[in-house]
Amino acid sequence: DAGVIQSPRHEVTEMGQEVTLRCKPISGHDYLFWYRQTMMRGLELLIYFNNNVPIDDSGMPEDRFSAKMPNASFSTLKIQPSEPRDSAVYFCASSLAGLAETQYFGPGTRLLVL
Amino acid sequence: QQQVKQSPQSLIVQKGGISIINCAYENTAFDYFPWYQQFPGKGPALLIAIRPDVSEKKEGRFTISFNKSAKQFSLHIMDSQPGDSATYFCAASNAGGTSYGKLTFGQGTILTVHP
Repeated sequence: DAGVIQSPRHEVTEMGQEVTLRCKPISGHDYLFWYRQTMMRGLELLIYFNNNVPIDDSGMPEDRFSAKMPNASFSTLKIQPSEPRDSAVYFCASSLAGLAETQYFGPGTRLLVL
Repeated sequence: QQQVKQSPQSLIVQKGGISIINCAYENTAFDYFPWYQQFPGKGPALLIAIRPDVSEKKEGRFTISFNKSAKQFSLHIMDSQPGDSATYFCAASNAGGTSYGKLTFGQGTILTVHP
């Protein structure tokens, strides 16, 4: 299996622009997680889905952030409008039902908002 | 109560030495405690995990020690190698609760093993 696939790997944008991060989970996995990693705050869970349905979005920092999972093989995390403080590495992870705590992480998207 | 506190923030060990990273938690409902390893430019990867019904789990050079009464668990890396240099995260989850699958991560420990 190819593992969790994320795109783009790097994104540089200007403040106020819309940013869309993409994730393809491992085939057959039922859970999908979006994390944000910064030096100051460490690894934070933003939102997670089970069978394409959002289960917990309490980590989404504010209304500028939104996430969707239209089908089992694709999810997006959108930031609109972006701000410099959104600069971070964003990870997507997936896992199987029954072993949901065993999460497989993608390589991440490094976002820089100028 | 959802926090997992990890120490130290950074650790330098000589090749062949023992690396020890500690974590403490407050939520007594946590029942799964994994450790993740992250190399620069990569996503975290599961290294080893333990459930509270045992006090120790060993996989190769990596051992988790778990103290339920103290609400603490630690990762020991025996015979540390330069290739072990990475950031290590402890985590915890409550498999039986409404947050099934949700991991709470510690702040991470940057381990450097000198040759």
